[in-house]
Amino acid sequence: QKEVEQDPGPLSVPEGAIVSLNCTYSNSAFQYFMWYRQYSRKGPELLMYTYSSGNKEDGRFTAQVDKSSKYISLFIRDSQPSDSATYLCAMSGANTGGFKTIFGAGTRLFVKA
Amino acid sequence: DAGITQSPRYKITETGRQVTLMCHQTWSHSYMFWYRQDLGHGLRLIYYSAAADITDKGEVPDGYVVSRSKTENFPLTLESATRSQTSVYFCASRAGVTGELFFGEGSRLTVL
Repeated sequence: QKEVEQDPGPLSVPEGAIVSLNCTYSNSAFQYFMWYRQYSRKGPELLMYTYSSGNKEDGRFTAQVDKSSKYISLFIRDSQPSDSATYLCAMSGANTGGFKTIFGAGTRLFVKA
Repeated sequence: DAGITQSPRYKITETGRQVTLMCHQTWSHSYMFWYRQDLGHGLRLIYYSAAADITDKGEVPDGYVVSRSKTENFPLTLESATRSQTSVYFCASRAGVTGELFFGEGSRLTVL
């Protein structure tokens, strides 16, 4: 079993829809939770960074962490065609050896105009 | 230009050949990482380095060698390339123990 599970999709939604992306994990020691966005043939870029449980909002993006359920989510409101990309969840913690960052497989998102 | 750069961006080689992928960062970040990205597997850590002359294995280190004689450079060498090493390789850096990973544009390697 992988440490971080993420549905690879693809997920296709119409413009303006609310998008929900999710990851589950097995390592209870993860403390830092991230979402990266990756456009085609580009390197990933950090989108959201949260510590421990709770919610964090940044514009149209909201990240949620539920450590009791080992479940994290990214919500995108009013989705735009420019949001079409692969979204990777990522996690790290004190016991991942040098705070190594572990990534999910990534979910491909298509937002149709 | 400031940032993290990888070279070559594209490489085709043959089975058994040695290949070196270069990574250079201009921020003087302590931590550097090599990941490979394959369909269905996401990003998997090959090797990482906490500082010059300090390296350690990641999840999939077999067949790879790294060195870090200078803080800004972190080359990845495939000593004898195999077809299973066909992948997109990403170098990343991070300033401290926690925080954002900054990625390069990737090196797309094909082993025939």
